[in-house]
Amino acid sequence: ETGVTQTPRHLVMGMTNKKSLKCEQHLGHNAMYWYKQSAKKPLELMFVYSLEERVENNSVPSRFSPECPNSSHLFLHLHTLQPEDSALYLCASSQDPAGGLDEQFFGPGTRLTVL
Amino acid sequence: QKEVEQDPGPLSVPEGAIVSLNCTYSNSAFQYFMWYRQYSRKGPELLMYTYSSGNKEDGRFTAQVDKSSKYISLFIRDSQPSDSATYLCAMSTDSNYQLIWGAGTKLIIKP
Repeated sequence: ETGVTQTPRHLVMGMTNKKSLKCEQHLGHNAMYWYKQSAKKPLELMFVYSLEERVENNSVPSRFSPECPNSSHLFLHLHTLQPEDSALYLCASSQDPAGGLDEQFFGPGTRLTVL
Repeated sequence: QKEVEQDPGPLSVPEGAIVSLNCTYSNSAFQYFMWYRQYSRKGPELLMYTYSSGNKEDGRFTAQVDKSSKYISLFIRDSQPSDSATYLCAMSTDSNYQLIWGAGTKLIIKP
């Protein structure tokens, strides 16, 4: 595997289910990100981890719970979601989020549908 | 007012045309300006970036920044059907890693 991988690629869940999204980066980067992408809206940054420490939590509802067990893996645990949470969830990684230019490398995303 | 404004399109042009994609922004502290390209069922990938004002050229692509007008552009010459994708602008300051994104413009190049 190369780059950033995400599983599953598609997920359909009911409002009462619990599921998890997985992301793995094979680039040796120090930072990992979760974004939400909805149609015709800007990417919404949800969480940022740098060296396995959470450095950003942009007012995300508690029904989304991130986990970063090491610098290569990132999870997004989902529970009691709402239909408006249906979107493409993108994972990204970068070398060093210290400011300025720090290219982010994205996975293909998980298309989530909440019924 | 959104920090970054970008027309979501779609923008449909014939093959071979010159394409102009644009974003406007409100935060004068932005110094890094990026264009990401996102193909269908893929994540975004960095296409070009510029620092502060000026132009940057890479093959058929030219990125321009006009900080006085708070306006950035991406030009594509001799457009190809393979250029069909969504183009997202993103910006950041010197001191904050967080990227501020436009909504993306869907571009369709018709053969």
